[in-house]
Amino acid sequence: DAGITQSPRHKVTETGTPVTLRCHQTENHRYMYWYRQDPGHGLRLIHYSYGVKDTDKGEVSDGYSVSRSKTEDFLLTLESATSSQTSVYFCAISARQVLDSNQPQHFGDGTRLSIL
Amino acid sequence: DQQVKQNSPSLSVQEGRISILNCDYTNSMFDYFLWYKKYPAEGPTFLISISSIKDKNEDGRFTVFLNKSAKHLSLHIVPSQPGDSAVYFCAASSQGAQKLVFGQGTRLTINP
Repeated sequence: DAGITQSPRHKVTETGTPVTLRCHQTENHRYMYWYRQDPGHGLRLIHYSYGVKDTDKGEVSDGYSVSRSKTEDFLLTLESATSSQTSVYFCAISARQVLDSNQPQHFGDGTRLSIL
Repeated sequence: DQQVKQNSPSLSVQEGRISILNCDYTNSMFDYFLWYKKYPAEGPTFLISISSIKDKNEDGRFTVFLNKSAKHLSLHIVPSQPGDSAVYFCAASSQGAQKLVFGQGTRLTINP
């Protein structure tokens, strides 16, 4: 494994509640990513980070926010969860330096989130 | 608008034979392509990649072919083994390996 821990691994919550997922890495990688996986869509990028406090939106960022206050942690927050955000969420990391931008992403084992 | 498409949701292959997984893309700015393999309840695992300056890359049993004029790439697995049974995703990017766009995945089943 690439030293990536996602927590929690499973969560069930109700519509309208806030939810925070955590991604923790021990590889000192610069780039971190949040994806969601849904049937028929593969993985879609939600947000990514290219350094501490540096983040940007991905393909499906509406309804999600992120924070990265230190290299090892990347948090994904659903401010007010909706049933359409029921999904499997994956964190990924890559590249210790900008010059390594062609290094492939390595993924955590995912968080299964159900919103009732 | 699906920029990366894997048109075969599933593929079944006999053990020892060749498995060929296909992927098409529409964005001509993509210059880096990757294949990932995913087992149930695990995250995707990187398999092999290719940049647009090449048309073939080989790593052991895995070979990726890129046809830029057709905007098509394929993954060949030879010989196929039972442990290869998994979902395979192709991915593409116009920024190195960052900001990947994934296909929908193809479930490969290797039959004994």
